Amino acid sequence: DAGVIQSPRHEVTEMGQEVTLRCKPISGHNSLFWYRQTMMRGLELLIYFNNNVPIDDSGMPEDRFSAKMPNASFSTLKIQPSEPRDSAVYFCASSLAIRSEAFFGQGTRLTVV
Amino acid sequence: GENVEQHPSTLSVQEGDSAVIKCTYSDSASNYFPWYKQELGKGPQLIIDIRSNVGEKKDQRIAVTLNKTAKHFSLHITETQPEDSAVYFCAAPTPGTASKLTFGTGTRLQVTL
Repeated sequence: DAGVIQSPRHEVTEMGQEVTLRCKPISGHNSLFWYRQTMMRGLELLIYFNNNVPIDDSGMPEDRFSAKMPNASFSTLKIQPSEPRDSAVYFCASSLAIRSEAFFGQGTRLTVV
Repeated sequence: GENVEQHPSTLSVQEGDSAVIKCTYSDSASNYFPWYKQELGKGPQLIIDIRSNVGEKKDQRIAVTLNKTAKHFSLHITETQPEDSAVYFCAAPTPGTASKLTFGTGTRLQVTL
């Protein structure tokens, strides 16, 4: 298996623009997680899905952030409008079940200027 | 929710020496404790985990110990090699899950020749 696939690997955008990050979980995994990593705050869970349904979005920082999982093989994290403080590495992870270990993608490094 | 503290934040050892990283957690109901290794430009990768029904687990040069009474767990790396240089994260899940993780702040391990 190719593992969790994220795209793009790097994204540079101007403040105010919409940003969409994409994730393809490992086939057969039914839990998906979006994390954000910064020097100041470390790794933070933003939202997670179980069987394509959002279960807990309490980590989503603001209404500017939204996530969707239209099917078992694809999820997006959207920021609209983006701000410089959103600059971070965003990771997607998936697991076989909520009780199984999580596997991380390579991340998307987002820079908002 | 879970609160995880990790020490030290940086650790430098000479090749061949041992390295120990310690974490404490707050929720006594937590029962699964993974350790992740993150190399530069990559996502965290699970290297070893332990469940609360055992006190120690080994996998070649790495081992994890768990003290449920004191609510702390440690990662031990013996005979360190330059390729062990990375950032290591401990984590603890929301009770009842294994994948909804709260991460420690990370330990940057540098193995010098």
